[in-house]
Amino acid sequence: DTGVSQDPRHKITKRGQNVTFRCDPISEHNRLYWYRQTLGQGPEFLTYFQNEAQLEKSRLLSDRFSAERPKGSFSTLEIQRTEQGDSAMYLCASSPIQGGGEQFFGPGTRLTVL
Amino acid sequence: AQSVTQLDSQVPVFEEAPVELRCNYSSSVSVYLFWYVQYPNQGLQLLLKYLSGSTLVESINGFEAEFNKSQTSFHLRKPSVHISDTAEYFCAVVNTGTASKLTFGTGTRLQVTL
Repeated sequence: DTGVSQDPRHKITKRGQNVTFRCDPISEHNRLYWYRQTLGQGPEFLTYFQNEAQLEKSRLLSDRFSAERPKGSFSTLEIQRTEQGDSAMYLCASSPIQGGGEQFFGPGTRLTVL
Repeated sequence: AQSVTQLDSQVPVFEEAPVELRCNYSSSVSVYLFWYVQYPNQGLQLLLKYLSGSTLVESINGFEAEFNKSQTSFHLRKPSVHISDTAEYFCAVVNTGTASKLTFGTGTRLQVTL
């Protein structure tokens, strides 16, 4: 399978704990994106990378959130001191630089903060 | 900045009936337009896209959408739906200049029944 993969698929944590999610994009894609989706809403952009450079971050991304893509391949999204409001589906997508903006999505990581 | 409006949160329809899911957008720059579909417990899949050229675009499973620049709309249609079309449908746009982050609507739940 050469699609976008995410790990874990589900994460349950207690408020105040740190969590880290991983995304492996399609191998030849230079761009990698993180989105957050809550119930009844469309995905909301969080941040994106072109190769290893983080080019844009949403104002939604508080200081408790950090993302990395150290070698321009996989990416991690860390949430520190989780809050109940962080409960959501975290989606990763990738795309080639030249591609008309089409993005390929992974299955998502569902985070539940108790 | 861009915004996308999907006025219908839910659309119930009988099998073999036609359906239209509405999408309107607002943008100060030119955009590419997309429809994504999300089946239960799955990630987002691209259904169809408009980049340029003919304003009517079609998918392999019978859906079509028409880009109307004057009305800033990109409505999705299917002349005869199937039970398997039951899913959440998201309209999205991206700035043609950067072709980076997608801006999504809130989604329309299509519920097909016998």
